[in-house]
Amino acid sequence: EIVLTQSPATLSLSPGETATLSCRASQSVGNYLGWYQQKPGQAPRLLIYDVFNRATGIPAKFSGSGSGTDFTLTISDLEPEDFAVYYCQHRNDWPLTFGGGTKVEIK
Amino acid sequence: EVQLVESGGGVVQPGGSLRLSCAASGFSFSSYFMYWVRQAPGKGLLWVSHINNGGVVTTYADSVKGRFTISRDDAKSTLDLQMNSLRAEDTAVYYCVRGHLYPPHYFDLWGRGTLVTVSS
Repeated sequence: EIVLTQSPATLSLSPGETATLSCRASQSVGNYLGWYQQKPGQAPRLLIYDVFNRATGIPAKFSGSGSGTDFTLTISDLEPEDFAVYYCQHRNDWPLTFGGGTKVEIK
Repeated sequence: EVQLVESGGGVVQPGGSLRLSCAASGFSFSSYFMYWVRQAPGKGLLWVSHINNGGVVTTYADSVKGRFTISRDDAKSTLDLQMNSLRAEDTAVYYCVRGHLYPPHYFDLWGRGTLVTVSS
């Protein structure tokens, strides 16, 4: 099973700042890595698939990069609605797994 | 409206069974892979099971293999999860999830979830 480790666990930032979230895989997942956003009481929402492709309706402020075992989600110009928990997920093989999440909170 | 609506959650004793259902609408259900993903209270996301379009191929997380069975009825646009031999650690919100068409195995439409509580 591929383990995804996200860091930091919590990121405290102010509106207008840029968030940089990390996801590290225990073995290479190639380019098969996606990102989700989850707000309290809501289901997750797909943001990014295959490292850098934005899902339908996702604004350009969300961008992804990386390959192999190290990946980054960057959220520019943080707005109040961006403060949430973010999860990475791979689709390299079974089982599909998620990272433990990074909470982006208002400083 | 494009949506997934889960039902069937509730409180069940350890060792008991429960059947979750998911009603899909607003899209061509038969074309999509479908999944169940769960989230224990205050915890992260865990993929539980997958079924391909056509219902021929199914996969399960090791933690539920042999206890849970996923199935679909394309004529009714429904997805089910039969859960047997339930354990306390199965307590979670269970989400019915549609797979991204291409590339597959990402989750692009989620239901609101249904809470399963396994407790005596």
